[in-house]
Amino acid sequence: AQSVSQHNHHVILSEAASLELGCNYSYGGTVNLFWYVQYPGQHLQLLLKYFSGDPLVKGIKGFEAEFIKSKFSFNLRKPSVQWSDTAEYFCAVIKSSGDKLTFGTGTRLAVRP
Amino acid sequence: NAGVTQTPKFQVLKTGQSMTLQCAQDMNHNSMYWYRQDPGMGLRLIYYSASEGTTDKGEVPNGYNVSRLNKREFSLRLESAAPSQTSVYFCASSPRQAEAFFGQGTRLTVV
Repeated sequence: AQSVSQHNHHVILSEAASLELGCNYSYGGTVNLFWYVQYPGQHLQLLLKYFSGDPLVKGIKGFEAEFIKSKFSFNLRKPSVQWSDTAEYFCAVIKSSGDKLTFGTGTRLAVRP
Repeated sequence: NAGVTQTPKFQVLKTGQSMTLQCAQDMNHNSMYWYRQDPGMGLRLIYYSASEGTTDKGEVPNGYNVSRLNKREFSLRLESAAPSQTSVYFCASSPRQAEAFFGQGTRLTVV
């Protein structure tokens, strides 16, 4: 069965620091990959997605992610975080031929002003 | 532009009571999902429906039932609520194999 691992459970950064959140998935076939953000008290919103093509994808609010097929990874990055990026971040995967969207356990990011 | 609408937003149940969480989407999506969110456990899939008339179990289906009433609506039923079902429940919909759009969530407390 497919699964998603997010190894960083809690991350604390100061404003302007760089961010990288890890995401690894277990399925060996072709997948579609997503990063979502959940601000306190809100529902999940899509940050970015990868289906095919350029493995470096850019999303909203200055976020980007790199798909490395050989490492089964889809890490999220941002060069300079802001206090407003304080949120929980979820990686998700679905098989390109499948129907089940699976999420990781999430990474809670706190950015100190 | 409603998107995914969940009702109710909050609910308190006594152990053993039943209830149905409603979800409707107006984006003509084929796939619909029910997740529960608990601290430190991310979103766990309860049930999903790839198309009207089909439903499948996710990771944590025990204690729940679902109905895909039509393409728009996907309801989640708790037949006999237990304290372990205290959680935040999210409904989502998506075109097949594409990104999901989420409802605002239902905060359920079982006492």
